[in-house]
Amino acid sequence: KAGVTQTPRYLIKTRGQQVTLSCSPISGHRSVSWYQQTPGQGLQFLFEYFSETQRNKGNFPGRFSGRQFSNSRSEMNVSTLELGDSALYLCASSPGQPVYGYTFGSGTRLTVV
Amino acid sequence: AQKVTQAQTEISVVEKEDVTLDCVYETRDTTYYLFWYKQPPSGELVFLIRRNSFDEQNEISGRYSWNFQKSTSSFNFTITASQVVDSAVYFCALGGQNFVFGPGTRLSVLP
Repeated sequence: KAGVTQTPRYLIKTRGQQVTLSCSPISGHRSVSWYQQTPGQGLQFLFEYFSETQRNKGNFPGRFSGRQFSNSRSEMNVSTLELGDSALYLCASSPGQPVYGYTFGSGTRLTVV
Repeated sequence: AQKVTQAQTEISVVEKEDVTLDCVYETRDTTYYLFWYKQPPSGELVFLIRRNSFDEQNEISGRYSWNFQKSTSSFNFTITASQVVDSAVYFCALGGQNFVFGPGTRLSVLP
């Protein structure tokens, strides 16, 4: 059974650009969540999608957005990149409710220069 | 509101020592799950264990063991005879209405 797949693994962007990250959940999982991890702030919840609808949202500016497709694959977009957006972005999938926990992908390491 | 506290920011031990990572949680949910994840230097979060709120039995899996005590809202994780490969950041997490991570404990096992 394939795990959670995130692409790309590494990305370097220039300040002001936008970026799109992709996540393919485990087959059959309908919930996809995104987290940002930085050395200073730890793991911070961005948003969760379930059956193409955003179910939960963390405390991030509107530059961070996401969506989920009918096949449960998800993308997250960051517009007008700032240096502080440099981080490891982790995607996690779950069959449904948060109570059951998540399986994580390997992450996309974004560097903004 | 849900909250997970991992008071130990960093721990260093010498190989073969036993080490316990502490986790204290807060929740008003009557049904919830507790988790431990390991994050090695490669970055991926690896699931270690899930325990539901109705099951307070301790669990042992090889060199790993977990002590869940509902009375003190704690879910501690012990590594016996630690090895260098155990070096990682360990996260405790709580799943209920939402899913909440603790801040993590960085464990360094020195040869």
